[in-house]
Amino acid sequence: AQSVTQLDSQVPVFEEAPVELRCNYSSSVSVYLFWYVQYPNQGLQLLLKYLSGSTLVKGINGFEAEFNKSQTSFHLRKPSVHISDTAEYFCAVLLGGSQGNLIFGKGTKLSVKP
Amino acid sequence: GAGVSQTPSNKVTEKGKYVELRCDPISGHTALYWYRQSLGQGPEFLIYFQGTGAADDSGLPNDRFFAVRPEGSVSTLKIQRTERGDSAVYLCASSFLGGRAPDTQYFGPGTRLTVL
Repeated sequence: AQSVTQLDSQVPVFEEAPVELRCNYSSSVSVYLFWYVQYPNQGLQLLLKYLSGSTLVKGINGFEAEFNKSQTSFHLRKPSVHISDTAEYFCAVLLGGSQGNLIFGKGTKLSVKP
Repeated sequence: GAGVSQTPSNKVTEKGKYVELRCDPISGHTALYWYRQSLGQGPEFLIYFQGTGAADDSGLPNDRFFAVRPEGSVSTLKIQRTERGDSAVYLCASSFLGGRAPDTQYFGPGTRLTVL
């Protein structure tokens, strides 16, 4: 069965430090990859997505992610975080040829401390 | 423009009762999805509509759950004989195309359902 694994449930970092949130997936078919962010008391918001082409994808708020097919990973990075980045981040996979339902990881809570 | 809206934002009910959760998608979006997010988990797919028809309902946990989208816009998720295990945040999303296109799904704020 296809699955998405987010290896860290919580990531505490200090403001202006770099951060990497890890995501691995298992699938025998082609995939499209997404990162969503959920701020406290808000809905899921798309951060970035990989559909095809360049494996390095840039998103909103200075985030970027790199698709690595051989390692089946799609890690999210930001070189310098802000307090306002405190939120929960979800990695999701859309299977090629599927009807469109996303498969989500369990999420990573990013806490940025001053 | 207006995003996906869901009503109510919170719903508290008693075990055994019937509930309806409503989703208003972004205008013009043909695809509509329902997900359920339990505490500490990521969203889990329930059902997907393309237009008025349910294209994939494989995520519905049992026959107590049912969803409709009669005019291809607003959708209602219906839960009969609610159980405490149904307590979760129910998320609705919509996208322009759906189907096999890798379309961005836009999510609503969710309805938090609590079954006492």
